Amino acid sequence: NAGVTQTPKFQVLKTGQSMTLQCAQDMNHEYMSWYRQDPGMGLRLIHYSVGAGITDQGEVPNGYNVSRSTTEDFPLRLLSAAPSQTSVYFCASSGTTKSSYEQYFGPGTRLTVT
Amino acid sequence: AQSVTQLGSHVSVSEGALVLLRCNYSSSVPPYLFWYVQYPNQGLQLLLKYTSAATLVKGINGFEAEFKKSETSFHLTKPSAHMSDAAEYFCAVIWGGATNKLIFGTGTLLAVQP
Repeated sequence: NAGVTQTPKFQVLKTGQSMTLQCAQDMNHEYMSWYRQDPGMGLRLIHYSVGAGITDQGEVPNGYNVSRSTTEDFPLRLLSAAPSQTSVYFCASSGTTKSSYEQYFGPGTRLTVT
Repeated sequence: AQSVTQLGSHVSVSEGALVLLRCNYSSSVPPYLFWYVQYPNQGLQLLLKYTSAATLVKGINGFEAEFKKSETSFHLTKPSAHMSDAAEYFCAVIWGGATNKLIFGTGTLLAVQP
């Protein structure tokens, strides 16, 4: 199993550009989520999904869109990039039963917006 | 609002000394608790988790944590620090319910001095 994969690993955008960060998992996990990591702030939840067709907002959803058309994929879209979105982005997945609350993280995408 | 607090954004210990990283959560309902470690320029790795079984939880690399309901704490310890333990450590909480929303503390950067 590849686990949780993210592409790209690095990305530089200009202000106002749009892009999609890809996330895929091969563990048949129902739950998937996106976080951003900024120095001194830990990881903050952007959006999450409890299954295909179901998404919801986390702590910092503004400026980001998500969709979940399949169990495996959970892309994160930046509609109009801003310098404040410069960050490291992590995708995670887990099952939804008590015994499977452990979340598995992808390797991250480092995004710079100039 | 429910939250998780890590006291001390930077902790420095000598090699061979006790490591103590503090984590407190703000809820009367016992949550599911996790410690993750992040080595420089890498993703997150699960150290250990508490899911309402034994209150003393042993993890990887000699780390352990004790869940204390009366103190709403889940501090991470290691009897003897090693140079390879230098990393950032995150406490995280799931309050259960219908989702697996994992909420992180702001992290503690551990430095190990020779």
